[in-house]
Amino acid sequence: QVQLVQSGAEVKKPGASVKVSCKASGYTFINFGIAWVRQAPGQGLEWMGWINGRTANTNYAQKFQGRVTMTTDTSTSTAYMELRSLRSDDTAVYYCAREGYHGSSVMVFDYWGQGTLVTVSS
Amino acid sequence: DIQMTQSPSSLSASVGDRVTITCRASQTISNYLNWYQQKPGKAPKVLISAASSLHSGVPSRFNGSGSGTDFTLTISSLQPEDFATFYCQQSYITPFTFGPGTKVDVK
Repeated sequence: QVQLVQSGAEVKKPGASVKVSCKASGYTFINFGIAWVRQAPGQGLEWMGWINGRTANTNYAQKFQGRVTMTTDTSTSTAYMELRSLRSDDTAVYYCAREGYHGSSVMVFDYWGQGTLVTVSS
Repeated sequence: DIQMTQSPSSLSASVGDRVTITCRASQTISNYLNWYQQKPGKAPKVLISAASSLHSGVPSRFNGSGSGTDFTLTISSLQPEDFATFYCQQSYITPFTFGPGTKVDVK
């Protein structure tokens, strides 16, 4: 069965960086993209960007351009999201999600990791 | 960016009720619209993709419809496990944006 397992919670100081991992299993990693979505406490879902599992091409939301880097390690079927210059409003749960297509051209986030809480506090 | 709106933002309902949630996109997105359910402390789960396609394993009481800019999620008979927050999301063009959510709680 498809699983995405993320790394554990992090506490960081303002200005620091955080790198979250997302280990995939149960499917061929290079055949699917991985997106990163975050959710601030009590708030909605925010798409941060996407990485192609085969080519490692990326597409970042403009809001995060210059501060985020998404990478993959195909040898371990793991995706990574690094966010730099952290601020207090980056405190959120960060999710990875697989980009699937189910009989149509419409992409859907069909499997999600369990989430990683990143707390930014001095 | 495409803005997604949902109404209502919250609603109270009873088991067995028919529940309808609407989602509107700021520009046409054809059928590039997905619905997710999220329970507290858990990751979202997909219910409906491509506006009306029921995802594998999702009960048939969930139904999606719409195209263009206006979409609807209907729960035909609300069950105890359905109390949650529901989000629509467009995958027509990046950035892939979500609606603000509709919280369904117990009346």
